[in-house]
Amino acid sequence: DAKTTQPTSMDCAEGRAANLPCNHSTISGNEYVYWYRQIHSQGPQYIIHGLKNNETNEMASLIITEDRKSSTLILPHATLRDTAVYYCIVRVAGSGGSNYKLTFGKGTLLTVNP
Amino acid sequence: NAGVMQNPRHLVRRRGQEARLRCSPMKGHSHVYWYRQLPEEGLKFMVYLQKENIIDESGMPKERFSAEFPKEGPSILRIQQVVRGDSAAYFCASSHPDRRMNTEAFFGQGTRLTVV
Repeated sequence: DAKTTQPTSMDCAEGRAANLPCNHSTISGNEYVYWYRQIHSQGPQYIIHGLKNNETNEMASLIITEDRKSSTLILPHATLRDTAVYYCIVRVAGSGGSNYKLTFGKGTLLTVNP
Repeated sequence: NAGVMQNPRHLVRRRGQEARLRCSPMKGHSHVYWYRQLPEEGLKFMVYLQKENIIDESGMPKERFSAEFPKEGPSILRIQQVVRGDSAAYFCASSHPDRRMNTEAFFGQGTRLTVV
């Protein structure tokens, strides 16, 4: 799986949009960008994933650049409960075989301030 | 639809004892993954199982650790003769086997093992 680079930490004011960047310059054509987050002492939570088109769900939006070498996770209206470590992971989609294991880096600690 | 259930949530063992961690996947999921998170570190993949089969155990320590996912019942991660270095949070995740479904991995809340 391609390697990702994320800032160590970020701050965001409550109610504002949180934009979390991720660089994945060695991404392959069949690799997706996944985002998970881990709120303190809890299990990781799936947020969103995408291949090349921008994606949106009830939790967040994912913007992938045209060359696919970077992406941004957007939490449109951050709340205090969004304080967590956010992981950007690049991997081939679908289950089966050793492709599936998720390689978690250090992620970005997002702190939402009141 | 209940999520991935892990028990116990907290487990304390003395050095040399055995630890058994259980994971019940989400309904309809037949793929299970175990991850370990040492204090102040990231999550590390341990093992990937399907019903009655170990698919990938490349992240498992060579000794004292074993995992199973029987035809009936939960997946079990077993640690024999625990040592203090085994103290960590152990997370289980599951996914659906059908590529046409949402095959994302959903994680449980983890078991926090403390070896005293």
